[in-house]
Amino acid sequence: GAVVSQHPSWVICKSGTSVKIECRSLDFQATTMFWYRQFPKQSLMLMATSNEGSKATYEQGVEKDKFLINHASLTLSTLTVTSAHPEDSSFYICSATLAGGYTDTQYFGPGTRLTVL
Amino acid sequence: EDQVTQSPEALRLQEGESSSLNCSYTVSGLRGLFWYRQDPGKGPEFLFTLYSAGEEKEKERLKATLTKKESFLHITAPKPEDSATYLCAVVGSGGYNKLIFGAGTRLAVHP
Repeated sequence: GAVVSQHPSWVICKSGTSVKIECRSLDFQATTMFWYRQFPKQSLMLMATSNEGSKATYEQGVEKDKFLINHASLTLSTLTVTSAHPEDSSFYICSATLAGGYTDTQYFGPGTRLTVL
Repeated sequence: EDQVTQSPEALRLQEGESSSLNCSYTVSGLRGLFWYRQDPGKGPEFLFTLYSAGEEKEKERLKATLTKKESFLHITAPKPEDSATYLCAVVGSGGYNKLIFGAGTRLAVHP
């Protein structure tokens, strides 16, 4: 149980284009989803928190116009990297928490490797 | 400020050589402490959630314990497939479900 998927698993794009990453909770409903990025040999850095049907809350220093997050349903959140540049190349990981559950346990997706040329 | 420190940064073990990983934390009102395992190029895999001092949880060769200041992840008779980075994270009462991660411990188990 508590499986989270991401699509695509990797993507290569040209500088200036936009890329959309999907995060789905497959066997549970998620009230809250989180988006992280991770650089090589570093820990996860929280980018934003999204709740179904409401605007995402971005961490300090994260450009909300560049990283668009939509949480349209209890099982789907999307991250769109707009006008991507090489410095946006990173490993993006989403996570989700169970709706109505006491625990704050986050279940993570497998990650998406973004390379911007 | 909520903070998590993991030690050692890296650990090399022989197969069967038991050891412990440490996670020290400072947080305002601990709501939960979490252990994850992360393999290279993959997302973290959930292992344990601990809520209060004295709590212990086990799964196969892993056992997690919690005190008021730290948590230990004990690995008994490890196998090469236990090689991974182990991440510790906490959520505090003012954290709005935000995980505060430590830097992780890179574990390598050699046959």
